[in-house]
Amino acid sequence: DQQVKQNSPSLSVQEGRISILNCDYTNSMFDYFLWYKKYPAEGPTFLISISSIKDKNEDGRFTVFLNKSAKHLSLHIVPSQPGDSAVYFCAASASYNNNDMRFGAGTRLTVKP
Amino acid sequence: NAGVTQTPKFQVLKTGQSMTLQCAQDMNHEYMSWYRQDPGMGLRLIHYSVGAGITDQGEVPNGYNVSRSTTEDFPLRLLSAAPSQTSVYFCASSSTGTDFLGGYTFGSGTRLTVV
Repeated sequence: DQQVKQNSPSLSVQEGRISILNCDYTNSMFDYFLWYKKYPAEGPTFLISISSIKDKNEDGRFTVFLNKSAKHLSLHIVPSQPGDSAVYFCAASASYNNNDMRFGAGTRLTVKP
Repeated sequence: NAGVTQTPKFQVLKTGQSMTLQCAQDMNHEYMSWYRQDPGMGLRLIHYSVGAGITDQGEVPNGYNVSRSTTEDFPLRLLSAAPSQTSVYFCASSSTGTDFLGGYTFGSGTRLTVV
């Protein structure tokens, strides 16, 4: 029962262009959403988050958009850089105490020079 | 700036063997957890702890035990290894409360193969 789904296993974009990574969820109780980035042979690292009281959060080149009615969030990277090439995981949680976070299967982003 | 340290990085076990995956953090985080990552499945929560002496089960706890005797350490024990436990295991920690939206800090993982 995958409550968080990333339907695109991979995405390839040209350097300088926009990367859009998508995530859908089924549990309407989720209130906190996070994106993690993972390089090979390393653990995931936190990238950006958003709570359900917002529909957008920005941090430099990274912006997360949340559409609660559609149960959909997306991560925009502008402009994309080769160093952004990694696997990106979407995660969601219903509680403020961390014990029920669910992760998507990940999307592998390749940014070509 | 050690963060979350996992040992070993790689391990091969025979079916039926037991072992302990170690996890230690030096950030005084209350919350610690274990995830496994399998192809096409994302990360799935095995066990978690909200503080020393307190543990609870996650999504996929069967075949694993944990204990939390100190704030720093959260070992994961495989009681009798099975091929289905072949996976990459990640330990994570975070502060609870207002820092939650800052996400978890993950270790670099343990790649376990059970033959």
